[in-house]
Amino acid sequence: SQQGEEDPQALSIQEGENATMNCSYKTSINNLQWYRQNSGRGLVHLILIRSNEREKHSGRLRVTLDTSKKSSSLLITASRAADTASYFCATERIQGAQKLVFGQGTRLTINP
Amino acid sequence: DGGITQSPKYLFRKEGQNVTLSCEQNLNHDAMYWYRQDPGQGLRLIYYSQIVNDFQKGDIAEGYSVSREKKESFPLTVTSAQKNPTAFYLCATNRGYTEAFFGQGTRLTVV
Repeated sequence: SQQGEEDPQALSIQEGENATMNCSYKTSINNLQWYRQNSGRGLVHLILIRSNEREKHSGRLRVTLDTSKKSSSLLITASRAADTASYFCATERIQGAQKLVFGQGTRLTINP
Repeated sequence: DGGITQSPKYLFRKEGQNVTLSCEQNLNHDAMYWYRQDPGQGLRLIYYSQIVNDFQKGDIAEGYSVSREKKESFPLTVTSAQKNPTAFYLCATNRGYTEAFFGQGTRLTVV
């Protein structure tokens, strides 16, 4: 079962615009993480936000977390063609077996 | 140079054959994971291990087996019981409640 569900499944924007992706999850979490995957490659970690944090920044990335709504968003500002990739959210639960569970991902295309 | 290494990059399996995918890490992480990714899809958890000599089934463990005899190694065997094994397989590791590091993946094809 997928813990995180991303929305939208695909997003196409012009270079320079901002891109926003959303993630919803079902159970209580210790942290939520965002990853990037270029086609045919492994995933690269972008940012981790813990359950007691509401917002986090890293360069052009901004992540928010709303634990009451069990949702998170990833904002990429001033997008570049090189940002074209798939983006996934992943969650780690507080209790029980520790496992990293991923959503379906958002396919982001930046048009030059 | 620290990291996580998957091999081989490409693997071809004949019908009824078992094949083993390698995953090795030198990051000294306790937790290791195997995921399956089908084209255009997300990652589905096959097996994970939080400590040596212990592992748990993920969401799609049927037709797969693993072992964790050493902290550095977490090989995945795709058995003949897995009827649709063609996919991209990813191995990952983390220290627990921290970022995960991924290998470059193994693309398995049934011929």
